[in-house]
Amino acid sequence: DTAVSQTPKYLVTQMGNDKSIKCEQNLGHDTMYWYKQDSKKFLKIMFSYNNKELIINETVPNRFSPKSPDKAHLNLHINSLELGDSAVYFCASSQSPSSEQYFGPGTRLTVT
Amino acid sequence: RKEVEQDPGPFNVPEGATVAFNCTYSNSASQSFFWYRQDCRKEPKLLMSVYSSGNEDGRFTAQLNRASQYISLLIRDSKLSDSATYLCVVNSRNNNDMRFGAGTRLTVKP
Repeated sequence: DTAVSQTPKYLVTQMGNDKSIKCEQNLGHDTMYWYKQDSKKFLKIMFSYNNKELIINETVPNRFSPKSPDKAHLNLHINSLELGDSAVYFCASSQSPSSEQYFGPGTRLTVT
Repeated sequence: RKEVEQDPGPFNVPEGATVAFNCTYSNSASQSFFWYRQDCRKEPKLLMSVYSSGNEDGRFTAQLNRASQYISLLIRDSKLSDSATYLCVVNSRNNNDMRFGAGTRLTVKP
C-alpha cells in the first residue's frame, strides 16, 4: 500500500549510458514532481506535472526528459549520463501544485 | 536573495531542550507553508503545515509572521529521535510549485 513508489532504488551505471527511473503514486493526486538532491543535500525541483501537463521545467539539461503517461505515473529518462548526474532523485506527488507533497523513497544514481 | 532561506546549523542540543528554527521567504504573496523532516538517507516527510494563526502538534509549534516574511518551528522537550534535517517549504511566486529551503540540521544528544 505504498503511496509513492520509485524504481529502481539504486542505479549504478557508466558515463554515456541512457537510463530511466519510474515513479507511481496511488494517492489519486493530480500533481507529480521530480527533485534532485546532490551531495550537498540541497533539494532542487526539476519538473512538475499537473493533470499530465508539464507546469514546471526548471533549468536542467535537455538530456533529462520527463514523461507522464497518466496522472499516477511520472517517469524520468536521462540520456548520455555524466558524472555530475550522480545524486538522489526523488519523486513526489500532491493534490494540487500548492498543497503538501508526499515523497517516494528516492533513487540513488551513481555514474562512474 | 534566495526564495527560501534557513540557517543550516548544525544545532546540537541536549535531550529535553527547547529549540527553534526560523525560515525566511522572499515572496510576500506566498500562501502555503510547511515544515518537513528528512532523516539521513531517507525521503523528506511532512511534519506539519503552517497556518496563519499558528498551530501546534504535540511538542511542535509552527508560526507564520507575514509582516517579516518568516515561519518558525519550535520543538519542546527534544528527544533523541528528533535528530534530523528540518526543511521549510514555501510556495513560489507563481503558485505552481513549492520551494524548499536548504534545511537546518538538528542533533539531540543524551
